[in-house]
Amino acid sequence: DTAVSQTPKYLVTQMGNDKSIKCEQNLGHDTMYWYKQDSKKFLKIMFSYNNKELIINETVPNRFSPKSPDKAHLNLHINSLELGDSAVYFCASSQVAARRADTQYFGPGTRLTVL
Amino acid sequence: RKEVEQDPGPFNVPEGATVAFNCTYSNSASQSFFWYRQDCRKEPKLLMSVYSSGNEDGRFTAQLNRASQYISLLIRDSKLSDSATYLCVVKDNNDMRFGAGTRLTVKP
Repeated sequence: DTAVSQTPKYLVTQMGNDKSIKCEQNLGHDTMYWYKQDSKKFLKIMFSYNNKELIINETVPNRFSPKSPDKAHLNLHINSLELGDSAVYFCASSQVAARRADTQYFGPGTRLTVL
Repeated sequence: RKEVEQDPGPFNVPEGATVAFNCTYSNSASQSFFWYRQDCRKEPKLLMSVYSSGNEDGRFTAQLNRASQYISLLIRDSKLSDSATYLCVVKDNNDMRFGAGTRLTVKP
């Protein structure tokens, strides 16, 4: 009965590779997010999708591309991985669009290490 | 100035102590405020929303001061299980802005 799930949980890869992280939520929420938490523990929003449409696109490198096949899934594809991409990536979902106060439910995180 | 600023701690307190965290935010137009809790190597989870009038949930009390642009979290009668990082979260129009968190360790 996992609410927000992510795969893989751990990802270790070489610089220059392309990788994807998958996220699925079974809460029936309309909005999904990707966050990056770096080694200093800052949690920063990267993207947000509302009903399969991008509504936030923070200034992340265009090597990062979110893809939402349906409102229950938001995947993150990363091209040409760099050392600085090493972080924990959290997927989250919420019931209403970002303008209104809402609770965000986070997935367990994907710990990405780029060697 | 950081958008959302917290004292990183760590706060080390004995069981039963009362501890308070503050958080300041830079955008006076911010609309919503929350405290999230994050355990080590786990995802953040909502602890409580923060309302203008202040609100309480058991041992936890949250306050908002819009004039001074800060929010606070008070934990009474600390338990060992309260040990975690507490994240202050401020919502602007489209963005959730997270503080870096305040680490709390409650010791026996």
